[in-house]
Amino acid sequence: QKEVEQNSGPLSVPEGAIASLNCTYSDRGSQSFFWYRQYSGKSPELIMSIYSNGDKEDGRFTAQLNKASQYVSLLIRDSQPSDSATYLCAVNLDTGGFKTIFGAGTRLFVKA
Amino acid sequence: DGGITQSPKYLFRKEGQNVTLSCEQNLNHDAMYWYRQDPGQGLRLIYYSQIVNDFQKGDIAEGYSVSREKKESFPLTVTSAQKNPTAFYLCASSRAGGMNTGELFFGEGSRLTVL
Repeated sequence: QKEVEQNSGPLSVPEGAIASLNCTYSDRGSQSFFWYRQYSGKSPELIMSIYSNGDKEDGRFTAQLNKASQYVSLLIRDSQPSDSATYLCAVNLDTGGFKTIFGAGTRLFVKA
Repeated sequence: DGGITQSPKYLFRKEGQNVTLSCEQNLNHDAMYWYRQDPGQGLRLIYYSQIVNDFQKGDIAEGYSVSREKKESFPLTVTSAQKNPTAFYLCASSRAGGMNTGELFFGEGSRLTVL
């Protein structure tokens, strides 16, 4: 059973702090990794994708990938109350493949 | 504006009835997907389609059926054989081939409740 594991949270951080969200995956052959943000009652929205080891930065978001440790993380700098949402980690087993496996998500609360 | 439109947003069904959820996209994406989300759980893949007139079962296809007669449309039928149909259903699309395949664009979702 191929799995993506996330701490369900909630993770609570004060406004302006760094939020760190973590994800592990079971299939060592996984190739593509994604972070989606989902507000309560809404559909997921892609915020980051990462395909090679190391860091990828986009604005206040940084995705980190370590394939040897089968670990993906998302850092949110200068957290804002509007960042309060559930963050879903997703893994695609094959580059160009159509089966994306999602974790259950981590709920993040940013306190004003 | 390009996007994915799902309808209806809310649907109530009596046990034993089939229902069809609509999904239309104007992003010119080849691939389309149906996911199901239950409270506190991740998304689970029901069906996906790489191209018109072709579709594949996902991890939880039992009790569901789909068709892909047009590139823009990928309707999902929830049949009476689905034992626990109450859930949030999400349609998505993506480019096909290459790394972009995993970059999914979602519709607003359809919330189905079985009475």
